[in-house]
Amino acid sequence: DTEVTQTPKHLVMGMTNKKSLKCEQHMGHRAMYWYKQKAKKPPELMFVYSYEKLSINESVPSRFSPECPNSSLLNLHLHALQPEDSALYLCASSQEWGGGGLAGVYEQFFGPGTRLTVL
Amino acid sequence: AQKVTQAQTEISVVEKEDVTLDCVYETRDTTYYLFWYKQPPSGELVFLIRRNSFDEQNEISGRYSWNFQKSTSSFNFTITASQVVDSAVYFCALSEYRDDKIIFGKGTRLHILP
Repeated sequence: DTEVTQTPKHLVMGMTNKKSLKCEQHMGHRAMYWYKQKAKKPPELMFVYSYEKLSINESVPSRFSPECPNSSLLNLHLHALQPEDSALYLCASSQEWGGGGLAGVYEQFFGPGTRLTVL
Repeated sequence: AQKVTQAQTEISVVEKEDVTLDCVYETRDTTYYLFWYKQPPSGELVFLIRRNSFDEQNEISGRYSWNFQKSTSSFNFTITASQVVDSAVYFCALSEYRDDKIIFGKGTRLHILP
């Protein structure tokens, strides 16, 4: 099973709502990632989890709160978002995250994304 | 600082034509990795290839081929006999050895017209 799944596929939320995005993989990967992709732009890294611990936070606003309850599951909790946060949120996983030198060894598998609209 | 430039924002070709997507990169590291990803309209990023900086051999996979030239810091991607299903956004990306982060170029939107 070489698949990363993400739910929901689409999400519309108001600025006062609290919602969560979910990502799951069953490839035994120990690294998981959240990316944000605005329309007609490349993906931008938000967070990296390695062995269920947060390794990288790319100065993401606190209204985005990641969580890795186990090695197969990655959540992104959303609270008090702004309309400019509307984007495609992509999850990815790879066998390892080494903090250096391993990206070329372990490819990242991406999920189909959650298309988020903040009203 | 590392940087990836995809100068072609959008390309349209007629089916069965060959098309080359350009990628130029900048890095100060001697060890680095280059990637191509495909993003169809469904949104999922599909991994196509990775190359490390010590392997300048060109690669062919079916209708896809890649030309890596360190002398010009380029990693170009050619689709031979294009098909409508090749329509997508294609991202070239770079990762330096010291850092696992993948830096994407801005992407090239490819339209294959029937």
